[in-house]
Amino acid sequence: QITLKESGPTLVKPTQTLTLTCTFSGFSLSTSGVGVGWIRQSPGKAREWLALIYWNDDKRYSPSLKSRLTITKDTSKNQVVLTMTNMGPVDTATFYCAHRYCSSSTCSVGSGYFDYWGQGTLVTVSS
Amino acid sequence: QTVVTQEPSLTVSPGGTVTLTCSSSTGAVTSAYYPNWFQQKPGQAPRSLIYSTSNKHSWTPARFSGSLLGGKAALTLSGVQPEDEAEYFCLLYFGDTQDWVFGGGTRLTVL
Repeated sequence: QITLKESGPTLVKPTQTLTLTCTFSGFSLSTSGVGVGWIRQSPGKAREWLALIYWNDDKRYSPSLKSRLTITKDTSKNQVVLTMTNMGPVDTATFYCAHRYCSSSTCSVGSGYFDYWGQGTLVTVSS
Repeated sequence: QTVVTQEPSLTVSPGGTVTLTCSSSTGAVTSAYYPNWFQQKPGQAPRSLIYSTSNKHSWTPARFSGSLLGGKAALTLSGVQPEDEAEYFCLLYFGDTQDWVFGGGTRLTVL
């Protein structure tokens, strides 16, 4: 059974760096075709894909947020960490992590799916 | 900035059929956008229903189907059940920018 859980601060101040951890079970991030992604949803807005890391350490970032994001994995701990710098009030959102699978031959394109998601964690940016 | 648009809300009667659509501001949606569809109920994590336009997971009820319709991705629910009341959102992949973009979601009411 695949499960994912997001953890991190619920409140950050403007200009601070947010660090979120996704702890998962039921799969290994060393398995070919497997990845973990981060998605957020700000109040009243559409969900927004942020970043993705694959089993082979291939990393993908949202083009609009790339300069602020870093995604890393710790395979031994079954964790993926996302950092987002220079947080502002507009970054207030619920952040989700999700398991992704793609056939390793098609991971370079958009084929695959985010099949299991965490419950999400609400992060508020306020002074 | 690319925008993916869905109907904000739809209402369907139990046992009826409803089609939700997902369009792109850049033009017609094709299979190269690998449309995904998700369901989310209040207080629950999103659940993946459809990937790569029309592929179902083992847990996807048979009454859900995905397709391309008139330049949009579409999710059709046939024989709607009360438990299908939820938010449905789509996801498209834009290969030129290597970006995934979500639609704003459709709130489906079963009434």
